[in-house]
Amino acid sequence: DAGITQSPRHKVTETGTPVTLRCHQTENHRYMYWYRQDPGHGLRLIHYSYGVKDTDKGEVSDGYSVSRSKTEDFLLTLESATSSQTSVYFCAISESIRATQPQHFGDGTRLSIL
Amino acid sequence: QQQVKQSPQSLIVQKGGISIINCAYENTAFDYFPWYQQFPGKGPALLIAIRPDVSEKKEGRFTISFNKSAKQFSLHIMDSQPGDSATYFCAASMGGGDDKIIFGKGTRLHILP
Repeated sequence: DAGITQSPRHKVTETGTPVTLRCHQTENHRYMYWYRQDPGHGLRLIHYSYGVKDTDKGEVSDGYSVSRSKTEDFLLTLESATSSQTSVYFCAISESIRATQPQHFGDGTRLSIL
Repeated sequence: QQQVKQSPQSLIVQKGGISIINCAYENTAFDYFPWYQQFPGKGPALLIAIRPDVSEKKEGRFTISFNKSAKQFSLHIMDSQPGDSATYFCAASMGGGDDKIIFGKGTRLHILP
């Protein structure tokens, strides 16, 4: 299995609070991604990174920000959490710019916003 | 045009039967079609993938059939086993430096013992 660690694995918080999720990889892969998974919607890309300090928006980026100060760490921040951001969040990594290279996923963070 | 439509949403198959999941796309620029398998509490994992220059790819009990003219592709699981019970996602992506993958909404497969 690819070395991807997501933390925390579970979190419950209140509306309006800031939340930061962490993705740590030991594979030295250049590309890192944040997805959210919701019933009926599958996997939707939030933000992705193609290198240290290089990030771009995905399909559902509103309300989220990311940072990547080191190759191995990719942080997802909800500045002011809302109930609509209750979801399971997955981090993924890939080795190459080619989309034909598989993405390897972490085991997810289950986030509940009350 | 960026969507990948997947059906059915859920599927129940008897042990030993054939499970079939279908996907359709619109964007003819897609040139890579992976399938991911996800078990409860885990992240998705690449199962099998196909390029549009072939009509079929087989890996063990898993086969992708690809129909370029119809813009459809499907996953067949032969001799389905209870251990195959999982959620399956089809996906599509484009080459040329675009490193994003578009996922279908998933099919929850349950194999009856």
